[in-house]
Amino acid sequence: DAGVIQSPRHEVTEMGQEVTLRCKPISGHNSLFWYRQTMMRGLELLIYFNNNVPIDDSGMPEDRFSAKMPNASFSTLKIQPSEPRDSAVYFCASSSRDLNEQFFGPGTRLTVL
Amino acid sequence: DAKTTQPPSMDCAEGRAANLPCNHSTISGNEYVYWYRQIHSQGPQYIIHGLKNNETNEMASLIITEDRKSSTLILPHATLRDTAVYYCIVRRGRGGGADGLTFGKGTHLIIQP
Repeated sequence: DAGVIQSPRHEVTEMGQEVTLRCKPISGHNSLFWYRQTMMRGLELLIYFNNNVPIDDSGMPEDRFSAKMPNASFSTLKIQPSEPRDSAVYFCASSSRDLNEQFFGPGTRLTVL
Repeated sequence: DAKTTQPPSMDCAEGRAANLPCNHSTISGNEYVYWYRQIHSQGPQYIIHGLKNNETNEMASLIITEDRKSSTLILPHATLRDTAVYYCIVRRGRGGGADGLTFGKGTHLIIQP
């Protein structure tokens, strides 16, 4: 299995632009998580889905952030408009209730200039 | 979820056992102790988890005190590849897909050659 796949691995954009981060979970997993990591705030949970349905989005910083999971094999995290303070590494993870662990992807490093 | 306290950094000589402590004095009876680690620039990786009893797997051992207010992660024979940030997480949900993970600042373990 290829593991959790995230794209792009690196993204550099200018303030005000729309950014879309993509995640493909491990096949058969029905839970998907989006996390953000910064030096100041560490690793934070943004949102998670069970069976493609958002369960907890209380970590989403503001309305500029939105996440979707149109099917079991794909999720997006969109930032519109982006701001310099959104610069971070964004991780996607997948799992299911019968597993002990969450499996993390390699992350997307976002830089907003 | 209960709050955890870990030392910010620790050193260990290669080949020796690395013992990483974690305090979780407010843990509830139905909360589990999980350990993850993050090697530089990678996504977090699950290590081990437990409820009351000590646990061992191919990566590490987890020792939980009888009152469950603290625990120790033991890497029996540390190698240079074990240099990472180690996170102790207390959570109610069991299973990877149950809910999101709340990461603290973790312990930066440095294995010295």
